[in-house]
Amino acid sequence: EAGVAQSPRYKIIEKRQSVAFWCNPISGHATLYWYQQILGQGPKLLIQFQNNGVVDDSQLPKDRFSAERLKGVDSTLKIQPAKLEDSAVYLCASSIMGKVGEKLFFGSGTQLSVL
Amino acid sequence: GQNIDQPTEMTATEGAIVQINCTYQTSGFNGLFWYQQHAGEAPTFLSYNVLDGLEEKGRFSSFLSRSKGYSYLLLKELQMKDSASYLCAVRALGRGSQGNLIFGKGTKLSVKP
Repeated sequence: EAGVAQSPRYKIIEKRQSVAFWCNPISGHATLYWYQQILGQGPKLLIQFQNNGVVDDSQLPKDRFSAERLKGVDSTLKIQPAKLEDSAVYLCASSIMGKVGEKLFFGSGTQLSVL
Repeated sequence: GQNIDQPTEMTATEGAIVQINCTYQTSGFNGLFWYQQHAGEAPTFLSYNVLDGLEEKGRFSSFLSRSKGYSYLLLKELQMKDSASYLCAVRALGRGSQGNLIFGKGTKLSVKP
C-alpha cells in the first residue's frame, strides 16, 4: 500500500517569497491534516480537512498561509509571504475517516528553510 | 490550556528497558497516542490508549492513567534502531467531532552499545 506522498522534500527560499507544498494522501482516506514541526518540537496542527471541507483551521495563520483540497484527494499548502519563523518541516497526514481512535499516517514532510 | 510534558532526552543501553513518561493537561480527552520518529523521517504509529491500563505490543508497551493525566511508553530489549524521538500525543476537544491531536515536544532516546 502506498503511503502519504509529499513534495518537494526540501525547499529553500528567501523571506517574503512564496512557496507551495503538495500532498497526496493514502487512497481512500477522507481526512487530511497539515502539521508544522519546528526543530526540537512536536508537530502542531495547521489545518484539517474532511473530504474537501475544512474541519479545523483555528491555528492556521490565515494572513499568510492557505490550504485547499478541491477534489477531496490531493492538497496544497501555500505560504505567501514567508517569514524566517516559518522555517520548519511541514508534515501531511491522513486517516480513514477521522474518527477518534484512528491512527494518522504521516508523509516524510517538506523541510522548509527561509533565509 | 493544553499542555503535554515529556522528558527532552534519555539515554539507555542496548538490551536494557527504558520507560518514557508523559503527563498531560488538556481540554477533554479522547485517547492518547505514541509515535516514533527517526531523524528526518515521518512519525510512525506505535500505540493507542483510551482506557486505563497497559497495552502490550511486542517489545513496546504503553500505559495510561486518565485520573492522573499520565502515560508511559515502555521499551524492552532495546536495540540500536530504537534510537529515535518518541512523541506523546493526546486527542483533546477541538472543532472536529473527533477533536485535535496535540503533540508533546518529543523525547529523544539514544541507545548506546
